[in-house]
Amino acid sequence: AQSVAQPEDQVNVAEGNPLTVKCTYSVSGNPYLFWYVQYPNRGLQFLLKYITGDNLVKGSYGFEAEFNKSQTSFHLKKPSALVSDSALYFCAVRDMYQAGTALIFGKGTTLSVSS
Amino acid sequence: EAGVTQSPTHLIKTRGQQATLRCSPISGHTSVYWYQQALGLGLQFLLWYDEGEERNRGNFPPRFSGRQFPNYSSELNVNALELEDSALYLCASSHGPGTSGIYNEQFFGPGTRLTVL
Repeated sequence: AQSVAQPEDQVNVAEGNPLTVKCTYSVSGNPYLFWYVQYPNRGLQFLLKYITGDNLVKGSYGFEAEFNKSQTSFHLKKPSALVSDSALYFCAVRDMYQAGTALIFGKGTTLSVSS
Repeated sequence: EAGVTQSPTHLIKTRGQQATLRCSPISGHTSVYWYQQALGLGLQFLLWYDEGEERNRGNFPPRFSGRQFPNYSSELNVNALELEDSALYLCASSHGPGTSGIYNEQFFGPGTRLTVL
């Protein structure tokens, strides 16, 4: 069965510092991985995805994510955090052999960036 | 390009009533997904429609149902409402499965906040 784990409920960083939001996954086949962000009282916004190719994926708003197959991880990173990055972040996975399934989401990590 | 739209924004019902939530996908998208975001439970997959057909459903009871119309808009119906159905219901759309559809990211609407009293 597919699953996604976001081990941290909350991540706190100071503005200007690098940030990492962790995600690990479990699928039976090759994974397709996604990161979304949710601002208060808003729907989810797509940040980036990994399908195949380079392990480092660049996305919107300066975010990037590193795919590590051996560690089954897909951590979200940003070199320099902004206060406006404070939001709820979701990692999601889809198994390439499970075409009939929708995305499976982690429980989300709240990122808080202090000024 | 207009995004995914959902109506109503808020819905208040009492236990035992029925709720109907609506979603209009991005133009050109044939797939519509419904998710429930309940406090403390994260995002849980409810239903997936494509080309008017239900393609898959999550682990929810049959009182959660829906349909997709010829214009690809969709409706989620929740019958016999229970207190624990109170949640934010998110609709997402994407291009259909096809040969590369599995790669496609989903675009989300702002959600409908359902409160069951």
